[in-house]
Amino acid sequence: ETGVTQSPTHLIKTRGQQVTLRCSSQSGHNTVSWYQQALGQGPQFIFQYYREEENGRGNFPPRFSGLQFPNYSSELNVNALELDDSALYLCASRLQGDTEAFFGQGTRLTVV
Amino acid sequence: DAKTTQPPSMDCAEGRAANLPCNHSTISGNEYVYWYRQIHSQGPQYIIHGLKNNETNEMASLIITEDRKSSTLILPHATLRDTAVYYCIVSPSGTYKYIFGTGTRLKVLA
Repeated sequence: ETGVTQSPTHLIKTRGQQVTLRCSSQSGHNTVSWYQQALGQGPQFIFQYYREEENGRGNFPPRFSGLQFPNYSSELNVNALELDDSALYLCASRLQGDTEAFFGQGTRLTVV
Repeated sequence: DAKTTQPPSMDCAEGRAANLPCNHSTISGNEYVYWYRQIHSQGPQYIIHGLKNNETNEMASLIITEDRKSSTLILPHATLRDTAVYYCIVSPSGTYKYIFGTGTRLKVLA
């Protein structure tokens, strides 16, 4: 158990819809990152938030957006869903300045 | 692109040591070596990390060569529950992202 929890665990959406995924960071961790993992691939970095501000982004379009709240929980929002957005979405939290990050169990998103 | 190269798959007999190699020939002086593993569609699990000295914890040992261009993760007594995909990542301390490769699929055999 890492103390990082994600909800929901599974989700099915229709192409064109919008989705919000949630992450509760480990206690005291003020930095959260989101990753997308397609089947058979390693996780790909989407973006990171530190103290409610985005401070790093991977190669993902603007329809992928996020929020971090004062209690350090966070959301990943994806608009205009495409079939290729079907993946396992992972969040990872860390304490800024620490080296290792701890991952949640992920949300499996299926777009049909 | 990932900065590490790992064999795609390995087998290990239960109870034996599993030695997983990783090549990171372009590693920079401020970059750490991290190891994570992922057991069938769960979130990656942190194992160990190091900068230049060898490291050991309750899960594994990390051996980093003197030139830091390669490393080996050692699971001293592999069990069936160690069957997973193992990822070697190099990244600066406190950086905001990890770049994952495709990892090594370790299968522990009874």
